[in-house]
Amino acid sequence: DVKVTQSSRYLVKRTGEKVFLECVQDMDHENMFWYRQDPGLGLRLIYFSYDVKMKEKGDIPEGYSVSREKKERFSLILESASTNQTSMYLCASSSPDGRGPHFGNGTRLTVT
Amino acid sequence: EDKVVQSPLSLVVHEGDTVTLNCSYEVTNFRSLLWYKQEKKAPTFLFMLTSSGIEKKSGRLSSILDKKELSSILNITATQTGDSAIYLCAVRPHTGANSKLTFGKGITLSVRP
Repeated sequence: DVKVTQSSRYLVKRTGEKVFLECVQDMDHENMFWYRQDPGLGLRLIYFSYDVKMKEKGDIPEGYSVSREKKERFSLILESASTNQTSMYLCASSSPDGRGPHFGNGTRLTVT
Repeated sequence: EDKVVQSPLSLVVHEGDTVTLNCSYEVTNFRSLLWYKQEKKAPTFLFMLTSSGIEKKSGRLSSILDKKELSSILNITATQTGDSAIYLCAVRPHTGANSKLTFGKGITLSVRP
């Protein structure tokens, strides 16, 4: 079974802090994704990566950056957290043949 | 811009009812449509549909794609309280290895005992 692991289930940070959300997958998938999920808005793509050190902006990249130094790990960075970044963050991975993506359990981030 | 619309946005039924969840889409160069179920944690994969008219079935759940109407339905028969969840529909275009999904807003299904 594919396993996508997000480092924290719940996180509380203060406005202005730098926040790192970590995601690791164990299936050697090329593609990895970061989404945020908000009530009434569904899942929105922040960034995705299709190879090590490669990244592409999704639909809502503003205020975020990412890092993919190793194939299995994809990090989402909030350079200066703001209250409007309070959300559920979901990481996912997939292979190019289109199966999945497979999601992690999510990190619920609260910025106060 | 790719677009996915799900309806209804929420639904309350009683155990034993049959429900039909709808998903319509606009996507350039369609490749596949996926359904996910999300309870409290990660969305879990249900079905991937690529061809029109071929029903995918798993227990009480089934789904079918209509490429002419640009839509899909997810049916759940004899609903149980464990079917209460958010059901997500997503479409994937043909853009090579870098294809990304566009999700709908989800349908919240509540099954009452």
